Amino acid sequence: EVQLVESGGGLVQPGGSLRLSCAASGFTFSSYWMSWVRQAPGKGLEWVANIKQDGSEKYYVDSVKGRFTISRDNAKNSLYLQMNSLRAEDTAVYYCARGMTTVRSYYFDYWGQGTLVTVSS
Amino acid sequence: SYELTQPPSVSVSPGQTARITCSGDALPKQYAYWYQQKPGQAPVLVIYKDSERPSGIPERFSGSSSGTTVTLTISGVQAEDEADYYCQSADSSGTYNVVFGGGTKLTVL
Repeated sequence: EVQLVESGGGLVQPGGSLRLSCAASGFTFSSYWMSWVRQAPGKGLEWVANIKQDGSEKYYVDSVKGRFTISRDNAKNSLYLQMNSLRAEDTAVYYCARGMTTVRSYYFDYWGQGTLVTVSS
Repeated sequence: SYELTQPPSVSVSPGQTARITCSGDALPKQYAYWYQQKPGQAPVLVIYKDSERPSGIPERFSGSSSGTTVTLTISGVQAEDEADYYCQSADSSGTYNVVFGGGTKLTVL
């Protein structure tokens, strides 16, 4: 059974940093793209970042470029999101998701339960 | 920036058919995907590659595509189908630049 378990969320002041983790199990982690998707309170889903199986390709939504870094450790079956220079608008539930690629797109077939990040003074 | 447009809300009575649309200029070139999200839960994939249904998803869920619009159809809606539904695709600049629609709240009357 595929399982994705996020951790590391919490309350942080504007301008601060936080590192999210996602522990994966039930599948061969090193064979899949992985992603982070977030959802602000009462709002819709927003894609944040994708990372290729070997970490050689990374993609980000414009609003987090230069502030967030996605990474992975295949030996530990873990995905990470380093978030720096946090802003109030980064407040959201952050989901870890397994990525699937096709010739014509990218999508998410399994999701974790999410971890809440609150940016506030 | 690229956008996918969904109606904010759709309401149907039990047993009727619900249709939720999603429009975007790149949809003729990119597949669309649909997710169901119930309150307090993570999203669940219900349709992939425009019209394919993952295992475990009821047959009443179907998807279709026509030009710049894709449609999620739920036939014989049940009370348990009340949820938010999101379409997802990618913009024309690249497969890996993911975009979500704003979401549609399906209310079962």
